[in-house]
Amino acid sequence: IAGITQAPTSQILAAGRRMTLRCTQDMRHNAMYWYRQDLGLGLRLIHYSNTAGTTGKGEVPDGYSVSRANTDDFPLTLASAVPSQTSVYFCASSVGLAGYNEQFFGPGTRLTVL
Amino acid sequence: AQSVTQPDIHITVSEGASLELRCNYSYGATPYLFWYVQSPGQGLQLLLKYFSGDTLVQGIKGFEAEFKRSQSSFNLRKPSVHWSDAAEYFCAVGGMNYGGSQGNLIFGKGTKLSVKP
Repeated sequence: IAGITQAPTSQILAAGRRMTLRCTQDMRHNAMYWYRQDLGLGLRLIHYSNTAGTTGKGEVPDGYSVSRANTDDFPLTLASAVPSQTSVYFCASSVGLAGYNEQFFGPGTRLTVL
Repeated sequence: AQSVTQPDIHITVSEGASLELRCNYSYGATPYLFWYVQSPGQGLQLLLKYFSGDTLVQGIKGFEAEFKRSQSSFNLRKPSVHWSDAAEYFCAVGGMNYGGSQGNLIFGKGTKLSVKP
């Protein structure tokens, strides 16, 4: 069982370019999340999805978009990358969106925007 | 608003010594509380969680945590630290989702643990 996979593992990107970070889970979880992790700031929620076809904004959604076409996949798109989006991005999933559900995390994508 | 505070950014302990990592939360109702660990270059792994009942909860890798409602705290402890425990530790609080902007878990900023031989 793979759990959650993310791709790519790392990426260096020129500012202004479009980039999609991929996330796939095989646990049939309803809820999925994208976080960014920055030194001294911990994890901050970018977007989340309660179920296929629905998405919601987190704490830091500006400059990012998501889609949830099916249960397994939850891609994160940077339409026009900026250096402040340099970060480590984590995808996570849980059975449901309620606060008692454990979140399972992927290995992360390290993104550098130059 | 919900919030989680981890007062210690970085802690260093000697191998074999005891460990306590502090976590304070702010939440209007009974919280769901979690501790996650992140090893270097890895994702987050759940150590333990508290929902209700016994306020002392046991987790993986010999960790435990105690919920103290009066102090709004959920401190993580381990009686004897191993070198492999060196990692970053995150406390998180969850509540019922109201469709708001923060999803269902609020994380603290983390405490980095270093272990001296």
